Amino acid sequence: AQSVTQLDSHVSVSEGTPVLLRCNYSSSYSPSLFWYVQHPNKGLQLLLKYTSAATLVKGINGFEAEFKKSETSFHLTKPSAHMSDAAEYFCVVSDQSSASKIIFGSGTRLSIRP
Amino acid sequence: NAGVTQTPKFQVLKTGQSMTLQCAQDMNHNSMYWYRQDPGMGLRLIYYSASEGTTDKGEVPNGYNVSRLNKREFSLRLESAAPSQTSVYFCASSMGRTSGDVTDEQYFGPGTRLTVT
Repeated sequence: AQSVTQLDSHVSVSEGTPVLLRCNYSSSYSPSLFWYVQHPNKGLQLLLKYTSAATLVKGINGFEAEFKKSETSFHLTKPSAHMSDAAEYFCVVSDQSSASKIIFGSGTRLSIRP
Repeated sequence: NAGVTQTPKFQVLKTGQSMTLQCAQDMNHNSMYWYRQDPGMGLRLIYYSASEGTTDKGEVPNGYNVSRLNKREFSLRLESAAPSQTSVYFCASSMGRTSGDVTDEQYFGPGTRLTVT
């Protein structure tokens, strides 16, 4: 069975400092992994996705994530936080066989201190 | 392109009432999805449609029905609303493939905030 765990429900960083949002997954198959961002009262937007190509994936707005199979992790990073990064972030795991196996993490709320 | 649109944006129902949430996409996508979002629980898949003419249950289908009216539209119906269905509902679509590959990027609508009293 698939599962995804976002290790922090809330992360707070100062503007200009690095961001690390942690995600661990389990999957019986070679998974596809995604990070989505949700700004307040908005729908979700894709930041980046991993689908068995390069293990370091670059996304929009300076975010990137590294797929580490040995650690079953897919952590999201950004070198320098901006105030506009304040939002909810969701890690998502899916296998190739069925949409019913798309699993969202519970989300990490990112706050940016001025 | 409007992307994915949902109506209504807000709705208040009494227990036992019925309603249909509408979703449409103009990106010529094959696959469409309905999710609910509850605090601290991420999004949970209710139903999805891998391609026009097909629908399948997701993680939490009880109390809901869906209709894939055509390639553009995918509606979600609550036949007899219950307070446990108070939630924010999101529709999404993805390119998919006719074979049912559903792991493409999903594009989300703005959501419908439903309260059942």
